[in-house]
Amino acid sequence: DGGITQSPKYLFRKEGQNVTLSCEQNLNHDAMYWYRQDPGQGLRLIYYSQIVNDFQKGDIAEGYSVSREKKESFPLTVTSAQKNPTAFYLCASRLTSTFNTGELFFGEGSRLTVL
Amino acid sequence: GENVEQHPSTLSVQEGDSAVIKCTYSDSASNYFPWYKQELGKRPQLIIDIRSNVGEKKDQRIAVTLNKTAKHFSLHITETQPEDSAVYFCAASNAGKSTFGDGTTLTVKP
Repeated sequence: DGGITQSPKYLFRKEGQNVTLSCEQNLNHDAMYWYRQDPGQGLRLIYYSQIVNDFQKGDIAEGYSVSREKKESFPLTVTSAQKNPTAFYLCASRLTSTFNTGELFFGEGSRLTVL
Repeated sequence: GENVEQHPSTLSVQEGDSAVIKCTYSDSASNYFPWYKQELGKRPQLIIDIRSNVGEKKDQRIAVTLNKTAKHFSLHITETQPEDSAVYFCAASNAGKSTFGDGTTLTVKP
């Protein structure tokens, strides 16, 4: 069953702690993305990656880091430097052949709450 | 960078009525305009999209129109049903990067 899997679905962390959100896809997509969703706001791009071992900052990259060591995986680390980390995080992927004009496939999201 | 504005933020209609959601974008280089539907607690899913070389596209009860000159595009839903209730997001894309509007919460009353 092809798709994008995010884990964990819910995560709680204390202030000052780093946390890593997992995103795995078996769609054979080259491009992967991380978005942040806050209530009443659209999806804001954190980081994206077009190929393995390469990634670019999105519009709100400060306080986040990513890696792309494998095509299937694009983990996101929310560092203690992120001032307002409580949010819903969505991972997505897209076929490279439709990189410019193609559908984004989303995971089910990870809800991070900082206590 | 790209800026996308979406209106209205909330929309309530009676079942069977039509619903229209409008978006404007700022970057004339954007060339792909998808619409996503997100039901409560679920992932966003593409419902319709349009490319910059097309003015209108229809898929059953859903249609999208694009005015490149004015930099705006709209989603039209006809004969609305309660299952159309959701949050709808527009987006403008260029070079693989999609910028989203803030979303419209559509409520269809039976």
